[in-house]
Amino acid sequence: QVRLVQSGGEVKNHGASVKVSCKASGYTPTKFESSFGFTWVRQAPGQGLEWMGWINPHISHTNYARKFQGRVTMTTDASTNTAYMELRSLQFDDTAVYYCARVVGELLDNWGQGTLVTVSS
Amino acid sequence: SYELSQRPSVSVSPGQTATITCSGDELHNRFVSWFQQKTGRSPVLVMFQDSRRPSGIPERFSGSNSGNTATLTISGTQTMDEADYYCLIWDSSTGVFGGGTKLTV
Repeated sequence: QVRLVQSGGEVKNHGASVKVSCKASGYTPTKFESSFGFTWVRQAPGQGLEWMGWINPHISHTNYARKFQGRVTMTTDASTNTAYMELRSLQFDDTAVYYCARVVGELLDNWGQGTLVTVSS
Repeated sequence: SYELSQRPSVSVSPGQTATITCSGDELHNRFVSWFQQKTGRSPVLVMFQDSRRPSGIPERFSGSNSGNTATLTISGTQTMDEADYYCLIWDSSTGVFGGGTKLTV
C-alpha cells in the first residue's frame, strides 16, 4: 500500500532553515500522471491544519500559499520518489508539525507521519 | 482569498447522529473533502468530492454539499469517532482548510 515516511524531528535556531523529506513507496507514478503531486500542510501546537503549497513534479509546477511565498521551496527527486520542503528564515511561530500528503487530482489520499520542527533561540 | 468556516465543537452521545458543517461562499460549486484527525495522529481522508467515501471508511460516514454549506454526517456515532474534523477545498490550485471541528462523543 501507499506509504509516506518523513524525516525526523528538528530543532532549529531562529533565522535558520529546515528541510523536511517525505519518501513515498508502494506505488509507481507514471510519466503521464499530470494530476499527481505532493502537498505540505503544517499544524502549530493546539491549532488547525494550514496548507502551505503543493508540487506537481511531472509538469514541474509548484504553487505556494501566499503567506509562505519567498520563504519556502518544494522539490522532488524522481529517482527516489522523495519530496522535500525547505522553509527559510524560521520564526518562533514556525514551530509546528509538518505533514506531507500525496495529491491525486484534488485528493490528499495518503499522509506522512508528520515531522516536528521546533524553533528555538 | 477564499475562507471556510466550521463550528469549533460538536458534542453527541454514542449512537446519535453527528452533523459537522463547513461554510463558504457558493460552496456548492466546489468539491469538498473531509479529514479526521485523532489526537497525536496524522489526518485521514474520510470523504471526498462532497459525498464519496474512500475504501475502508465506514458507511456511517456520509457527506453532502448544497448552497453555502457542506455537511459531514456520522450516523450511529461511536466513541472511536471522537476526533477533530477538517474540510478542504481547492481555490485556483490553492488548498484552503476550514478551522476544524472538535467532535466529542
